[in-house]
Amino acid sequence: AQKITQTQPGMFVQEKEAVTLDCTYDTSDPSYGLFWYKQPSSGEMIFLIYQGSYDQQNATEGRYSLNFQKARKSANLVISASQLGDSAMYFCAMSLTQGGSEKLVFGKGTKLTVNP
Amino acid sequence: DSGVTQTPKHLITATGQRVTLRCSPRSGDLSVYWYQQSLDQGLQFLIQYYNGEERAKGNILERFSAQQFPDLHSELNLSSLELGDSALYFCASSVGAIRTETQYFGPGTRLLVL
Repeated sequence: AQKITQTQPGMFVQEKEAVTLDCTYDTSDPSYGLFWYKQPSSGEMIFLIYQGSYDQQNATEGRYSLNFQKARKSANLVISASQLGDSAMYFCAMSLTQGGSEKLVFGKGTKLTVNP
Repeated sequence: DSGVTQTPKHLITATGQRVTLRCSPRSGDLSVYWYQQSLDQGLQFLIQYYNGEERAKGNILERFSAQQFPDLHSELNLSSLELGDSALYFCASSVGAIRTETQYFGPGTRLLVL
């Protein structure tokens, strides 16, 4: 079955330190996309970063980088220099084809708390 | 601000009622997606429209329906509401319908069924 797994329900990090949020995926499709979204307590879903399955280099967007290990089927999000505003739920998602249609499948999320 | 707008922001209604949620995609985006986020089910894909036509269907109940209009805005209709339909409903949009395109989410509509 094609799915996304986030094994860390909650993570804590000190302000200004780096943190890694884990994401593993399972698919037999050679072409897929991996996404990370942030959901603060206000509820909106904010796109952070994208990695394509054929991309040779790890994606980076400012303080966000994606540690993509294709053989291990993992796409961990690294947040450098954590800020208090990074406290939120983080969702990993994979775009895939199911039943002839394409859709995004989300993991259950990781709640990140940044401590001052 | 993602550029995707959703109205209303909050909705409180009673069981058995019908509601309509509205979404306007980002300028230039042709695809609209609807998601339901609940505590027990997480984020679930409901349905996708591309340029006015249904493109993909997920875990959408028969009591729910959606459409995309010529101006590309979309509406999600929820009828015969049950307590379990209480959730946060998101609309997202993307330029096209390719799986690797980024979907940008609206702020959501929080539905409470009493």
